[in-house]
Amino acid sequence: QSVLTQPPSVSAAPGQKVTISCSGSNSNIGNNYVSWYQQLPGTAPKLLIYDNNKRPSGIPDRFSGSKSGTSATLGITGLQTGDEAAYYCGTWDSSLYSWLFGGGTKLTVL
Amino acid sequence: EVQLLESGGGVAQPGGSLRLSCAASGFTYSTYAMSWVRQAPGKGLEWVSTISGSGANTYYADSVKGRFTISRDNSKNTLYLQMNSLIVEDTAVYYCTKVGPSSFQDNWGQGTLVTVSS
Repeated sequence: QSVLTQPPSVSAAPGQKVTISCSGSNSNIGNNYVSWYQQLPGTAPKLLIYDNNKRPSGIPDRFSGSKSGTSATLGITGLQTGDEAAYYCGTWDSSLYSWLFGGGTKLTVL
Repeated sequence: EVQLLESGGGVAQPGGSLRLSCAASGFTYSTYAMSWVRQAPGKGLEWVSTISGSGANTYYADSVKGRFTISRDNSKNTLYLQMNSLIVEDTAVYYCTKVGPSSFQDNWGQGTLVTVSS
């Protein structure tokens, strides 16, 4: 069981909006930056969001990140079938002195 | 363009060893920390280890501490992971990553598969 908790799956229709939550504690999310990763089927993960809410170049503004206290949220608007993937949150844990990933959330675009 | 190319994966017996390599290009290698992240078949991502740009500082997940050693050769722009005392649970795709300023995994290689089986 992961220290960072994500819902196993979420789903929404094309064009709709979805949010994915990531819950942690003061030693990780509460005091460190959160990043988000997208893993399309059969491919390596890719950075989507870093430093809670920043997008690397090339990532569309349909993807957004936010953080409040010990939780973080990834938002995706204007859903496309190509967004079907697994999404992972990640952050450093200052007590464990380890990098952590959430368990991952599988997004289905119905 | 950042490129990370892993190699060295394969099949090993329980108790055996493997050495993974990751050839990096497209950035000033010695100024960035690097990590290894693995993914067991059908499972999520698991951080394995991180090394600072100079190589002076290393960090390990509890699951591999004492068995795996991360290292780097900045003259060859190459990252390594020496894996000893392998167990079946080490079976996974191993990804090499370039670490961003606030420790996020910025760029990822395509991965190399390690299978531990008798």
